[in-house]
Amino acid sequence: DAKTTQPTSMDCAEGRAANLPCNHSTISGNEYVYWYRQIHSQGPQYIIHGLKNNETNEMASLIITEDRKSSTLILPHATLRDTAVYYCIVRGRNAGNMLTFGGGTRLMVKP
Amino acid sequence: DTAVSQTPKYLVTQMGNDKSIKCEQNLGHDTMYWYKQDSKKFLKIMFSYNNKELIINETVPNRFSPKSPDKAHLNLHINSLELGDSAVYFCASSQSTGVTGYTFGSGTRLTVV
Repeated sequence: DAKTTQPTSMDCAEGRAANLPCNHSTISGNEYVYWYRQIHSQGPQYIIHGLKNNETNEMASLIITEDRKSSTLILPHATLRDTAVYYCIVRGRNAGNMLTFGGGTRLMVKP
Repeated sequence: DTAVSQTPKYLVTQMGNDKSIKCEQNLGHDTMYWYKQDSKKFLKIMFSYNNKELIINETVPNRFSPKSPDKAHLNLHINSLELGDSAVYFCASSQSTGVTGYTFGSGTRLTVV
């Protein structure tokens, strides 16, 4: 599976949009981009995933560039409860393709 | 209803002991996993089982032995516990077909003293 690069940490003001970038320049055609987050002391939580189209759900939006080499997770109105480590993961769809976590981005939402 | 449940939530034990962590999922998934998160917070996959069969075994000491009695359960048994085994262990499940995400349990914090 392709590797990803994310900033180590980011701050965001409460109520503002949080835009978390991810680079995955070696992504291959059948690999998906997944986002998870881990709130302190809890298990990782699935947020969203996409292949090439932009995706939106009740938690967030995922914007994938046309060349698929990078993506951005958008939390439209960040709250204090969104403070967490956010992981961008590239993964193929076969059963043997594991979810491999990197260092993630530590997002701090501040009042 | 808890989708992926692990027991116990906390486990404190002495070096050399043998302990087990249990995991159950009620999502009807066919694949289950164990991850380890150490003090540096890196999440590493340890094992993956698909339909009760081992499909991934990362570089893990053979003191760790997973057992899957059925698709809904994946237990982790650890022999001769060492200080370095102290970590948070997460169980997860997914469906092998399709591209759905993993569902994780809330973790078991193991402390070896």
